[in-house]
Amino acid sequence: NAGVMQNPRHLVRRRGQEARLRCSPMKGHSHVYWYRQLPEEGLKFMVYLQKENIIDESGMPKERFSAEFPKEGPSILRIQQVVRGDSAAYFCASSPGQGDTEAFFGQGTRLTVV
Amino acid sequence: QKEVEQNSGPLSVPEGAIASLNCTYSDRGSQSFFWYRQYSGKSPELIMFIYSNGDKEDGRFTAQLNKASQYVSLLIRDSQPSDSATYLCAVNTNAGKSTFGDGTTLTVKP
Repeated sequence: NAGVMQNPRHLVRRRGQEARLRCSPMKGHSHVYWYRQLPEEGLKFMVYLQKENIIDESGMPKERFSAEFPKEGPSILRIQQVVRGDSAAYFCASSPGQGDTEAFFGQGTRLTVV
Repeated sequence: QKEVEQNSGPLSVPEGAIASLNCTYSDRGSQSFFWYRQYSGKSPELIMFIYSNGDKEDGRFTAQLNKASQYVSLLIRDSQPSDSATYLCAVNTNAGKSTFGDGTTLTVKP
């Protein structure tokens, strides 16, 4: 859905560098979700955030990955010291509420680690 | 057992036929169910959601939910080549996050 804005659309990083992925939710949406999709695989949940709060980070790798959704500005997914296995499409989704409300996806950021 | 399982593909149907996509889930506390369509290299696009047992129709699409059997399906009537895509089933509990199946790739042949 064009309302959820992700940038950059494509990101190339060398091994060991940092990757920062940004997501601005749809207007009026206060819930943000990050998913990762490896080639030829389904979407895997990473983290669920509301403004200034991490609600569920059960899908986040224990090291190198972090996420935030500050009071002002977009949500950021940060990957430190990237490795080739981090190459994937990272999708952000937003919803107006929790649980039974549908989420709308951004266009994704395709990260390539070389 | 995966939390959300979809029938293995790929699924191929002729143009004009009915395509049937199936999904089962393991968490009996699941409250809401979604079908997304994803074209190759694109982001998932929501096409249907259903919360209550029974059928829900929207144009050529019908979602069916049976909570007792923990089963949700998507029927696409009068399939068109433009329906060729991967269809993702997603299940939510009230915890907020969606758990996705691995998807079923549908090909509609002219």
